[in-house]
Amino acid sequence: EAQVTQNPRYLITVTGKKLTVTCSQNMNHEYMSWYRQDPGLGLRQIYYSMNVEVTDKGDVPEGYKVSRKEKRNFPLILESPSPNQTSLYFCASSPWAQNEQFFGPGTRLTVL
Amino acid sequence: KNQVEQSPQSLIILEGKNCTLQCNYTVSPFSNLRWYKQDTGRGPVSLTIMTFSENTKSNGRYTATLDADTKQSSLHITASQLSDSASYICVVSAANQAGTALIFGKGTTLSVSS
Repeated sequence: EAQVTQNPRYLITVTGKKLTVTCSQNMNHEYMSWYRQDPGLGLRQIYYSMNVEVTDKGDVPEGYKVSRKEKRNFPLILESPSPNQTSLYFCASSPWAQNEQFFGPGTRLTVL
Repeated sequence: KNQVEQSPQSLIILEGKNCTLQCNYTVSPFSNLRWYKQDTGRGPVSLTIMTFSENTKSNGRYTATLDADTKQSSLHITASQLSDSASYICVVSAANQAGTALIFGKGTTLSVSS
C-alpha cells in the first residue's frame, strides 16, 4: 500500500531533550516536506526537500533540523525542544513539488 | 506578499444541503491550486488540483472552480453528508526559477449536522 508513515504518533517529552520524528514514504517520491499545525494558524511548512541531499527552509524552520540521506526517509530533528514546539506535525511527499501531496497520519508532540 | 485567504472560517449546514467554500489568493507566479480535506486528527487528503487553464474539476460530490483572472477558487459540495464534516484547505503553488513555494490557507471548518 502506498503510504507515508510517521513515528511516533504521540510523544510527550521535556524541554531540552533531543528527539527525532521519523518519516518514510514508499512511493519513490522526490519531494518531501514537514509541517506543523496549530489552532488558528493552519499548516505551516518547516522544511522541505526536493531530492536526496537537497533540503531547504520553509516558513518556520527555527528550532528544527532535517536530513535527506536517502529518498524514502526524511526525519525531523528537534535538538533542544521547547514548549512552543508543542504541536501536531505532518510529513508529506509528492512526485515533484508541483504535484498533490500525500500526507502522513501526524505526530502529536507535547513538550513540557 | 503571497497570500491565500479562505472564507468562511467555519460553516454549519444540515445534511443533504449544498455549500460553497471560497479561496482567494494573491500568489505570483501561479502554478496550480489544490483543495484538501482534513478529518479531525488526520492528515489532509487531496480532493482536486487545478492548473491555470482549468476552470472546473469534479471529484464525486466535490466540484472545484478556478477563475484565474479574479484569483478566486471555490469548492462546492453537493448533497452534503455527515462524513463531509472536516476542515477544507486551499493551497496555491507558486513556481519560478528559484523553486516552488506552497502557500496554505488556514482552512474552512465544515460541520454537517443531521
